[in-house]
Amino acid sequence: KQEVTQIPAALSVPEGENLVLNCSFTDSAIYNLQWFRQDPGKGLTSLLLIQSSQREQTSGRLNASLDKSSGRSTLYIAASQPGDSATYLCAVRRGGSSNTGKLIFGQGTTLQVKP
Amino acid sequence: KAGVTQTPRYLIKTRGQQVTLSCSPISGHRSVSWYQQTPGQGLQFLFEYFSETQRNKGNFPGRFSGRQFSNSRSEMNVSTLELGDSALYLCASSAETRETEAFFGQGTRLTVV
Repeated sequence: KQEVTQIPAALSVPEGENLVLNCSFTDSAIYNLQWFRQDPGKGLTSLLLIQSSQREQTSGRLNASLDKSSGRSTLYIAASQPGDSATYLCAVRRGGSSNTGKLIFGQGTTLQVKP
Repeated sequence: KAGVTQTPRYLIKTRGQQVTLSCSPISGHRSVSWYQQTPGQGLQFLFEYFSETQRNKGNFPGRFSGRQFSNSRSEMNVSTLELGDSALYLCASSAETRETEAFFGQGTRLTVV
């Protein structure tokens, strides 16, 4: 059974710091891994999608890496800003023909960036 | 291109009632998935529809059901509401290939009193 874990559960940093969020998963048979951002009471905004054959993806100040063999992904946020404050979720899309649409989520890391 | 649209945004229902939530996916997307989000359980998969067929189902009781129409719009229904059904219900749409990105709507906040 695939399980996704995110550490830490919460993080508070001063503005301008670079930071790393961690995501681990137990079954390496995945199609892809996706990082999302969620503001309180809102839906999920997709940040980055990494296919199982890729090692990393970058978008602006965000960089996500994937090490499928060890079951780990990291989201690196450079020069953090107060507007980055949100909950960050990672989700894996399992492999196998019967599970194409199902995403399995971690519990999220709640980030607070202080001015 | 319009995003994923969920209606209504907020609902308050009484225990024992039933409720229907709606999701309009991104134009051209044929896969629609539903998730329940609660503070205690996080995000849990309910079901996925693809071309009007349920392709995948999570571990929820039969009170939770869904359907998809020929225009890919999807509805989910919850019958005999319980207090524990209070949650944010999120809908995601994807193109048909397995490698594509999932896009989420803003969700429907259901409160059962």
